[in-house]
Amino acid sequence: NAGVTQTPKFQVLKTGQSMTLQCAQDMNHNSMYWYRQDPGMGLRLIYYSASEGTTDKGEVPNGYNVSRLNKREFSLRLESAAPSQTSVYFCASTQIGFLGETQYFGPGTRLLVL
Amino acid sequence: AQSVTQLDSQVPVFEEAPVELRCNYSSSVSVYLFWYVQYPNQGLQLLLKYLSGSTLVKGINGFEAEFNKSQTSFHLRKPSVHISDTAEYFCAVSMEYGNKLVFGAGTILRVKS
Repeated sequence: NAGVTQTPKFQVLKTGQSMTLQCAQDMNHNSMYWYRQDPGMGLRLIYYSASEGTTDKGEVPNGYNVSRLNKREFSLRLESAAPSQTSVYFCASTQIGFLGETQYFGPGTRLLVL
Repeated sequence: AQSVTQLDSQVPVFEEAPVELRCNYSSSVSVYLFWYVQYPNQGLQLLLKYLSGSTLVKGINGFEAEFNKSQTSFHLRKPSVHISDTAEYFCAVSMEYGNKLVFGAGTILRVKS
C-alpha cells in the first residue's frame, strides 16, 4: 500500500495563476482532509470530506475549492493564487471519521507563489 | 473555539537526556488528544493518542504522554532521546464531528551530541 500520495511535490506559481493539488489514498478510507502548514502556526484545516460526495469548509477555506472525485481522490484547487497561499499543503485520510481515529498524512506539496 | 497551546517553540537537548514537550488545550467537553511527529521534509506520523482509560499513554519510539484533565494538559516525554528524535512535534485535539483536528504550533526538538 502506498498510503496517501500527493502530487506535485513542489510547485512555483505566479500571482493569479491557478493549479490543482492532487491527493489519493489506497486504504479505502471514507474521510479525507486538506491542511496547510505555516511556520509557527501548526497545521490548519482548509476543507474536509466526511465521505464521497460531501465536502465542508474548515478553518481557512477562502481562496480554495475542493472536489471529492471518488472515494480515493480529493483535490484542492487554487483558482487565483496569491502570495499568502505560499505554504506546505498536506492531505490526510481516516477510515470513517469518528472522533479519535488516526489520520494518515501524505508527504506534502510545497507551494511557492511569487 | 477549541485551541491547543504548545508552550515551547524549540527545545534543545543533549543525546541520552530526558525531554518533556508541553501541550495544553482548552475545552470544556471530552476530548481526544494526539501527538504527531514530522521528520524533515516528510508528512506527519502518529506518535500516540489518548481516547479514554489510563491517563498514561505509551507510543512509538519510546515516547509517552500523560493526560491531565484538571490541568488540561497532555505533555509528551521521553526518558532518553537519540539524535534520530530530532524533528518537529505537534499536539492536536479532535472534538468535532468529522474528526477534524486542531493543531498546536509545533515544537522543534533538537537533539545534540
